[in-house]
Amino acid sequence: DAKTTQPTSMDCAEGRAANLPCNHSTISGNEYVYWYRQIHSQGPQYIIHGLKNNETNEMASLIITEDRKSSTLILPHATLRDTAVYYCIVRVADSSYKLIFGSGTRLLVRP
Amino acid sequence: DGGITQSPKYLFRKEGQNVTLSCEQNLNHDAMYWYRQDPGQGLRLIYYSQIVNDFQKGDIAEGYSVSREKKESFPLTVTSAQKNPTAFYLCASSPGTAANYGYTFGSGTRLTVV
Repeated sequence: DAKTTQPTSMDCAEGRAANLPCNHSTISGNEYVYWYRQIHSQGPQYIIHGLKNNETNEMASLIITEDRKSSTLILPHATLRDTAVYYCIVRVADSSYKLIFGSGTRLLVRP
Repeated sequence: DGGITQSPKYLFRKEGQNVTLSCEQNLNHDAMYWYRQDPGQGLRLIYYSQIVNDFQKGDIAEGYSVSREKKESFPLTVTSAQKNPTAFYLCASSPGTAANYGYTFGSGTRLTVV
């Protein structure tokens, strides 16, 4: 089973920041948090990942709480092309380190 | 450019037939994965391979088979034993199985049973 909980859907206005929350209260100390997004009928696209510290790249920022039980993905200036399903995933710390996908958050960016 | 290529993009199969989905990567990644996605749902793991000539069952392996004879190739066969094969199939790869390695996904194959 997925180890994360996300809202089913969210929306935001174009040009504004989109803040997507994720709960992962059972995360272990050596498990990473990953974010992917999927635009309809395409393969998931990697966005960002982190362990303890906040991370930023050209696409987004990842804020992880100090207790690591939740995180927030921030798209600083959302565009219409950011409309997608966003998956928050904890990479399971077993011998295979599989990614287990939940249902994700459907983000709609409004004009 | 390096990446993962899945073919074909669309595939139609008659009931009772086996069909093989292709997945090729030129990223020199050790690990490869097959996922299935049904409408409105997340991805579910079918099979994965951490190294050439080795593979493991995922959560929904029944009715599927794989091989990993070459590092760059990980074909998936959907057999007649798979009761509901109509779905979107995604292949992925990663440099290894360490927790800080992300996945690169292909663009998917949409299989329809007619």
